Amino acid sequence: DTGVSQNPRHKITKRGQNVTFRCDPISEHNRLYWYRQTLGQGPEFRPYVQNEAPLETSRLHSDRFSAERPKGSFSTLEIQRTEQGDSAMYLCASSLSPRGTVEQPQHFGDGTRLSIL
Amino acid sequence: GIQVEQSPPDLILQEGANSTLRCNFSDSVNNLQWFHQNPWGQLINLFYIPSGTKQNGRLSATTVATERYSLLYISSSQTTDSGVYFCAVEDDKIIFGKGTRLHILP
Repeated sequence: DTGVSQNPRHKITKRGQNVTFRCDPISEHNRLYWYRQTLGQGPEFRPYVQNEAPLETSRLHSDRFSAERPKGSFSTLEIQRTEQGDSAMYLCASSLSPRGTVEQPQHFGDGTRLSIL
Repeated sequence: GIQVEQSPPDLILQEGANSTLRCNFSDSVNNLQWFHQNPWGQLINLFYIPSGTKQNGRLSATTVATERYSLLYISSSQTTDSGVYFCAVEDDKIIFGKGTRLHILP
């Protein structure tokens, strides 16, 4: 299967701990995005967007959240010092966006469900 | 930022019925997608439709970009169509609506 793959599917951790999720995009896709979805809401775009350049190491930080995409391959999302409010489904999506053209459809993984005790 | 409103928020139908889901957006967008999130949480891409009309089996979608809305049509509903249908638009980022929760009764 060549879809977007995320792991783990579920993560339960104590408040204050750090957690890391992984996303493997569709192989030919050059863009990767992380979303957060809470119960009853649509996915929320988080500013963890990954650089499209396949040879760069892209790292973005936002508060306790950071994402990496070494060499434009898989991506990891790390949440430091987790809080109760971080409990949510974390979705990863990838797309193919050739330079100079409009963004192409995003394809989503099955998500990682995070529960903070 | 762009506002995305979906209606109705909830819809309960008998199997075999037809339905129309609506997505309104407040400003011009670069593209628009419809997704189905099934009861297991999987988000499935249905249509990539910045404008015009597309059909895929029992589903079809129409986007009228000049009037800032899109419609998703589901014909001859099946229980497997149950779930939440999201509309997502893009300007400088992707913005999802709150979804329409569809429940098809057997």
